Amino acid sequence: AQSVTQLDSQVPVFEEAPVELRCNYSSSVSVYLFWYVQYPNQGLQLLLKYLSGSTLVESINGFEAEFNKSQTSFHLRKPSVHISDTAEYFCAVSPTGNQFYFGTGTSLTVIP
Amino acid sequence: KAGVTQTPRYLIKTRGQQVTLSCSPISGHRSVSWYQQTPGQGLQFLFEYFSETQRNKGNFPGRFSGRQFSNSRSEMNVSTLELGDSALYLCASRTGTRSTGELFFGEGSRLTVL
Repeated sequence: AQSVTQLDSQVPVFEEAPVELRCNYSSSVSVYLFWYVQYPNQGLQLLLKYLSGSTLVESINGFEAEFNKSQTSFHLRKPSVHISDTAEYFCAVSPTGNQFYFGTGTSLTVIP
Repeated sequence: KAGVTQTPRYLIKTRGQQVTLSCSPISGHRSVSWYQQTPGQGLQFLFEYFSETQRNKGNFPGRFSGRQFSNSRSEMNVSTLELGDSALYLCASRTGTRSTGELFFGEGSRLTVL
């Protein structure tokens, strides 16, 4: 079975500072990779995804993630965070496109 | 296009009771998956239904069951509730026919077992 590791359960960061949320997965085969965001009392929303092609993918609100096959990582970054980015972030892996495996989540808190 | 709708949003039950949760997927989506979310455990996969058939199943006891109807709406049932069943239950839909389809989540049903 696949495993997804989000190394940091909580990440506090000051407003306008950069942030990186780490995600590593265990797989020797091709995978599809996703980052989801969950705001309080809501479901998960897709932030960005990697299916194939360019290893750097971007979201509409300034986040980006880079697929690194050799390190089996898909870290999420943002150069300058806002208060509104405070949320729970989940990394997910889908080896076949049928079943999804989620990490335990990283709680990002942006401090004014 | 309406999103994934889950009902009820909140419910409180006592140990030993049973509960049924409902999920209406996005129109045209034939796959519905259920997840249990608890603090520190993240999302745990329960099962997936596609065209009324269970396609995948997670590692949960038989007290957890589900079904899907011909209109793709899905229900999950938990019998003989335990305190540890308190969680946010999330439903997610996708087309199910293309392997690259991402999951679209509902807002969840928060179950509290007393």
